[in-house]
Amino acid sequence: EDQVTQSPEALRLQEGESSSLNCSYTVSGLRGLFWYRQDPGKGPEFLFTLYSAGEEKEKERLKATLTKKESFLHITAPKPEDSATYLCAVRNSGNTPLVFGKGTRLSVIA
Amino acid sequence: KAGVTQTPRYLIKTRGQQVTLSCSPISGHRSVSWYQQTPGQGLQFLFEYFSETQRNKGNFPGRFSGRQFSNSRSEMNVSTLELGDSALYLCASSPFTGGYEQYFGPGTRLTVT
Repeated sequence: EDQVTQSPEALRLQEGESSSLNCSYTVSGLRGLFWYRQDPGKGPEFLFTLYSAGEEKEKERLKATLTKKESFLHITAPKPEDSATYLCAVRNSGNTPLVFGKGTRLSVIA
Repeated sequence: KAGVTQTPRYLIKTRGQQVTLSCSPISGHRSVSWYQQTPGQGLQFLFEYFSETQRNKGNFPGRFSGRQFSNSRSEMNVSTLELGDSALYLCASSPFTGGYEQYFGPGTRLTVT
């Protein structure tokens, strides 16, 4: 059974203090790993798709990386507007749905 | 291009009633998935439709059902509502089924009293 574990559950950073969020996964043949950002009361917003180990994607202060067992979302010099819950999801090579982790709730304090 | 829309945005129902939620995908997207999100369980997959056919179904009771129309719009129905059905119901669309990113709507907040 595919599994996704995100850590930490919650993270509090000072503005400008860089850090990383972790997504560990177990999947039978990775078809894609997805990162989303979710603000309270809203639907998740798509950030990145990673398909194979060694792949990296960047967008503004965010950079996602992928290994065979985990993915990291690096946040460089975060700002208060980066505060949100970040969700990781995987899809395997079979006809099965996305499996989501429980998310990391990030708070960036000015 | 307009995003995924869901109606209604908020709903209050009584135990035992039924409810129908609607989702309009991004234009050109043929796959629609539904999720239930609660604070304790996170995002739980309900079902996925592609070209009017159910492709996958999550581990939810038969009270939860859905369908997709020829224009890719989708509806989900919950019959005999229970208090535990209170949640944010999210719809997501993608161009095709498979390893494509999904784009989510704003969700419908259902409260069962």
